[in-house]
Amino acid sequence: RKEVEQDPGPFNVPEGATVAFNCTYSNSASQSFFWYRQDCRKEPKLLMSVYSSGNEDGRFTAQLNRASQYISLLIRDSKLSDSATYLCVVSLGFQKLVFGTGTRLLVSP
Amino acid sequence: GAGVSQSPRYKVAKRGQDVALRCDPISGHVSLFWYQQALGQGPEFLTYFQNEAQLDKSGLPSDRFFAERPEGSVSTLKIQRTQQEDSAVYLCASTLAEAGETQYFGPGTRLLVL
Repeated sequence: RKEVEQDPGPFNVPEGATVAFNCTYSNSASQSFFWYRQDCRKEPKLLMSVYSSGNEDGRFTAQLNRASQYISLLIRDSKLSDSATYLCVVSLGFQKLVFGTGTRLLVSP
Repeated sequence: GAGVSQSPRYKVAKRGQDVALRCDPISGHVSLFWYQQALGQGPEFLTYFQNEAQLDKSGLPSDRFFAERPEGSVSTLKIQRTQQEDSAVYLCASTLAEAGETQYFGPGTRLLVL
């Protein structure tokens, strides 16, 4: 079983749609949680950190459920530029990042 | 300012050849990480340096893989006797402080072993 599991997709949505991604992690000792975005043939870039209280950054909302070991990302009012792979990431300590396989999102006109 | 840079960006190697991949972290960044990303997968941790000290090399897949950061800045990942399964993108990341900081990734080196 992989440490971080995600549905690989792809998720095909029209512009303006709301889309949600989920991820589960296996190690209950995980301390930090993130969503990274990776464009095709580019490096991963931090989208947002994820906190137990939930956090929002513009059209993006992230949630963490420690009891269920579950992380989510909600994107509202999807834009064409949101098309990318979204990587769920956990950190066991403060250094090593553990990535999921990523969920591919395609936003169409 | 300048981000993390990596060279070469692309490398084609014949099976059995040795390769060396270079990472220049953001100036002043203390921590440096190497990850391997196979096609269709997320990055997987290889090794971590704090300054010149290699504190974790648990992700290195075999003893053919070796990393160093002798002066605490530039790092080199060396792969000896490359195999086809080594084909992947090798990503380097750096952070300013020892712990808890955002990791900034370089563009990666795409290695193809024929």
